[in-house]
Amino acid sequence: AIRMTQSPSSFSASIGDTVTITCRASQDIRSYLAWYQQKPGKAPNLLIYSASTLQSGVPSRFSGSGSGTDFTLTISRLQSEDSATYYCQQYYSNPRVFGPGTKVDF
Amino acid sequence: QVHLVQSGAEVKKPGASVKVSCKTSGYTFTSYDINWVRQAAGQGLEWMGWMDPKSGETDSAQKFQGRVTFSRDISEDTAYMELNSLRSEDTAVYYCARDRYSGNGMEFWGQGSLVIVSS
Repeated sequence: AIRMTQSPSSFSASIGDTVTITCRASQDIRSYLAWYQQKPGKAPNLLIYSASTLQSGVPSRFSGSGSGTDFTLTISRLQSEDSATYYCQQYYSNPRVFGPGTKVDF
Repeated sequence: QVHLVQSGAEVKKPGASVKVSCKTSGYTFTSYDINWVRQAAGQGLEWMGWMDPKSGETDSAQKFQGRVTFSRDISEDTAYMELNSLRSEDTAVYYCARDRYSGNGMEFWGQGSLVIVSS
């Protein structure tokens, strides 16, 4: 199975910061990568698919990039409501493994 | 609007089985795949498997093979996940999630179903 890693595992940010989260796949997954945001007690919310396509309704301060094995999620102009855990997930092949998550708080 | 509404919390004894339902509405049930994802308390997301509601084809993560069954009732627009031989490590919130068109990510999620396995 493909293994997914994320870094950092957590960090504390400030309002207005630009934050970058990295996700790495153990093998080439082309652009078959999604990013999710999850807040405590809630189901995950799809932010980005195909590595860089913004899901409808998601603020434009979220952006994704990368292909192959290395990917990034960037949150520009961080707002208080962005406090959450962020997960990457590959869907190149089954099992559709998630990364371990990155917790962003203030 | 698209909605996925899951069944309520369950408490099961070790060795028992649990069947979680995912009632969908607002779209054509057979046109989009359904995934099942679980999350233990304080832990990350774990993909369990997937089902094509139109064909009934399923696949599951190797960890669950032989213990999990995905099914559906097309007449009720409902998907099901049954997990057998429960153990304490299966205590988690179980989510169903509908794929985007062409499987590009999970676009709509149920509210989650808490399953507690305890003697």
